[in-house]
Amino acid sequence: EPEVTQTPSHQVTQMGQEVILRCVPISNHLYFYWYRQILGQKVEFLVSFYNNEISEKSEIFDDQFSVERPDGSNFTLKIRSTKLEDSAMYFCASSGGPALSSGNTIYFGEGSWLTVV
Amino acid sequence: DAKTTQPTSMDCAEGRAANLPCNHSTISGNEYVYWYRQIHSQGPQYIIHGLKNNETNEMASLIITEDRKSSTLILPHATLRDTAVYYCIVRVAYSGNTPLVFGKGTRLSVIA
Repeated sequence: EPEVTQTPSHQVTQMGQEVILRCVPISNHLYFYWYRQILGQKVEFLVSFYNNEISEKSEIFDDQFSVERPDGSNFTLKIRSTKLEDSAMYFCASSGGPALSSGNTIYFGEGSWLTVV
Repeated sequence: DAKTTQPTSMDCAEGRAANLPCNHSTISGNEYVYWYRQIHSQGPQYIIHGLKNNETNEMASLIITEDRKSSTLILPHATLRDTAVYYCIVRVAYSGNTPLVFGKGTRLSVIA
């Protein structure tokens, strides 16, 4: 069964460093998302991406964050200068769109755990 | 903010049916009800979704009331591996990439 894959599974970084989290969405999907979950808290929406541009973003997704689809398969989240409060699990997700049998159902990866020290 | 209300936690005996309720009294006519679960900080896992008819798949059944203001997710024979946080989410149907908005969900504990 197709799945969303994320790398790395866990990354430790020093405060102020840049981090790139990588995702390979399900291959025929058109819409891509990043969510995060701080330990013990809710899953929070960060950004959605379609047709090579951001469709929607939350208040969390400030200028420190950026997303990119550098090629036909990868989708990345970059945090420019990490802060302690960026420590969280980051989930990538994708959905196919109404033309697919799965419709707009969103499927999630297993997450990348980011620890900022 | 999430547009649904769910109990904070529930227990279920292994092998019995788990019935998880959800209130969504402000649901719009073009919104689906989606259910996801999250097992111990893994990625949210899609379970089922529906608009107004009851739905069943290999994982669960979804019962939606006629007025669509509430629904129940049924796991017919709960196992220990079904212990997870279950999220009920309403989302506009076929709207492209409208994101899911997660609430706190229901923590289901399946007990041996």
